[in-house]
Amino acid sequence: QVQLQESGPGLVKASETLSLTCTVSGVSVSSGGYYWSWIRQSPGKGLEWIGYISYSGSTDYNPSLKSRVTMSVDTSKNQFSLKLSSVTAADTAVYYCARDRDYYGSGRLSDQWGQGTLVTVSS
Amino acid sequence: DIQMTQSPSSVSASVGDSVAITCRASQGVSSWLAWYQQKPGKAPKLLIYAASSLQSGVPSRFSGSGSGTDFTLTISSLQPEDFATYYCQQANSFPRSFGPGTKVDIK
Repeated sequence: QVQLQESGPGLVKASETLSLTCTVSGVSVSSGGYYWSWIRQSPGKGLEWIGYISYSGSTDYNPSLKSRVTMSVDTSKNQFSLKLSSVTAADTAVYYCARDRDYYGSGRLSDQWGQGTLVTVSS
Repeated sequence: DIQMTQSPSSVSASVGDSVAITCRASQGVSSWLAWYQQKPGKAPKLLIYAASSLQSGVPSRFSGSGSGTDFTLTISSLQPEDFATYYCQQANSFPRSFGPGTKVDIK
């Protein structure tokens, strides 16, 4: 059974860096055919895809966040991580980690999700 | 970026009713359209991919149709566990984008 669990501070000060880790169980992050995504959800912007990383470390980021996002993967711990720099109140959201895979005729989709973690940016 | 819209934004229905939710893309996405279900406090769950293919384990009362820019999710014979918010998502064009959601609640 695949499980993903986000962890990290629930409160981050404006202008600082948000750091989250996703611990994966039931599947190896090194498994071929899977990608590891971060998605966030806020009342104002709805669901927003942040980006993904492959087991080899290749990444793709949403252009709207690209200048502030860094993702990494730690295969020894079966984890992947998100860093979002220079945060503002607009980055307050529930952050989800997810497993992506390619669906024929539908592209890359998130088929397993973590429960989500609320990150609030304070001034 | 491709913008996704959904209608209605909310719908009230009773157990046993049939409900249709529409999703429209600002540009054609072929059939690269997925539907997710989200319940309060939970993560979204993938229901349908490729516009009309049911994800494993999803009940057959869920169905999807459409291609290009216009898509529909139909839930036939609503069950109590189906009251939730539904999102469409396109994966045809980078970056992936979601619709704003349609809330299905109990009449």
